Amino acid sequence: SQKIEQNSEALNIQEGKTATLTCNYTNYSPAYLQWYRQDPGRGPVFLLLIRENEKEKRKERLKVTFDTTLKQSLFHITASQPADSATYLCALGAGNNRKLIWGLGTSLAVNP
Amino acid sequence: SQTIHQWPATLVQPVGSPLSLECTVEGTSNPNLYWYRQAAGRGLQLLFYSVGIGQISSEVPQNLSASRPQDRQFILSSKKLLLSDSGFYLCAWSTAVSGNTIYFGEGSWLTVV
Repeated sequence: SQKIEQNSEALNIQEGKTATLTCNYTNYSPAYLQWYRQDPGRGPVFLLLIRENEKEKRKERLKVTFDTTLKQSLFHITASQPADSATYLCALGAGNNRKLIWGLGTSLAVNP
Repeated sequence: SQTIHQWPATLVQPVGSPLSLECTVEGTSNPNLYWYRQAAGRGLQLLFYSVGIGQISSEVPQNLSASRPQDRQFILSSKKLLLSDSGFYLCAWSTAVSGNTIYFGEGSWLTVV
């Protein structure tokens, strides 16, 4: 069956460093991959979408890579700030939004 | 700009009581609407999906139902709640313009006691 895995352990980093979160998947050929941010008790907020034919996408301090051979996406936050502390979810899709597959998320804590 | 409102934000309901969660979207027309549940330690689970008024697709068998009486209104209901219905419920929308991006509401915390 389709499976998506994110770092299960919380990631703690120092302010100013680069945070790198991983999303791995198996038994699936996604057309695109998305990253969302979720704060405690709030709904997820869309950050970036990358398609299967794209290797990398950037938005301000965020960078996403997508390696369909390794079946992996990396999500980077450069010059991290305490305000970046949140849970980050990845989601895989192939066409219809109903078929999105969600990871459990990785908790990121940026320490001042 | 588009906004999504979901209420109530929190509720505590006894087992066997009814449920009604409401969601409205503003600033867009003919959105696709979604109800998700997020239980502790589990990923987002799609419960219902709607492409238009009165058109509801159920993704998993369960004790819940959904209705879409108006284009931008989506309601999640139950006649008799179970303990297992506890969780964080999220309404969301997307459109042909937003493509594969889904926009979520603030969520509703439901505790069944």
